[in-house]
Amino acid sequence: DVQMTQSPSYLAASPGESVSISCKASKSISNNLAWYQEKPGKANKLLIHSGSTLQSGTPSRFSGSGSGTDFTLTIRSLEFEDFAVYYCQQYNEYPPTFGAGTKLELK
Amino acid sequence: EVQLQESGPGLVKPSQSLSLTCSVTGYSITSNYWGWIRKFPGNKMEWMGYISYSGSTSYNPSLKSRISITRDTSKNQFFLQLNSVTTEDTATYYCARWPTRVPLFAYWGQGTLVTVSS
Repeated sequence: DVQMTQSPSYLAASPGESVSISCKASKSISNNLAWYQEKPGKANKLLIHSGSTLQSGTPSRFSGSGSGTDFTLTIRSLEFEDFAVYYCQQYNEYPPTFGAGTKLELK
Repeated sequence: EVQLQESGPGLVKPSQSLSLTCSVTGYSITSNYWGWIRKFPGNKMEWMGYISYSGSTSYNPSLKSRISITRDTSKNQFFLQLNSVTTEDTATYYCARWPTRVPLFAYWGQGTLVTVSS
């Protein structure tokens, strides 16, 4: 299976700041990388696929980059609604596998 | 609007079977791919398997022969059965939908916590 290493596990920031989350795959996954947002009481939300393509409805302050094994999720000008847990996931091959999550907390 | 809702027992005894239902509204399960994903305490996520629009299935090899995913198209529901559970199967279980065989999970249920304990 492809191992996904996500960092950091926790991130504290304030509204208006920018943050980045890293995701590394144990082997090349081309650009077959998605990012999800998890919030209590809500269904998980697909934010980005194909490494950098925003899913319909994802605010433009979110961006994704990378290909091969190294990927980054960046959130610019944080808003209160962005404080959540974020996961990366590879879908280059079965079984799909996830990173361990990054909890973005309010500083 | 597509909605997925998991249901089932919140507590299962070790060695027994875990059975969950995903009820789908707003979309027919005879289209797309429908599956199960779980999140363990500590946030590790694991894809468990799917049942396709045609009824074919695919499972995570890590679950070997313990897992079965079936469906009832007349009720627009699909089901998860996980046999011989242990405490390590304690997790929040999510059902999800994705449009093609590419496992990109566009729609999720809210999840249901299942605890395995005697």
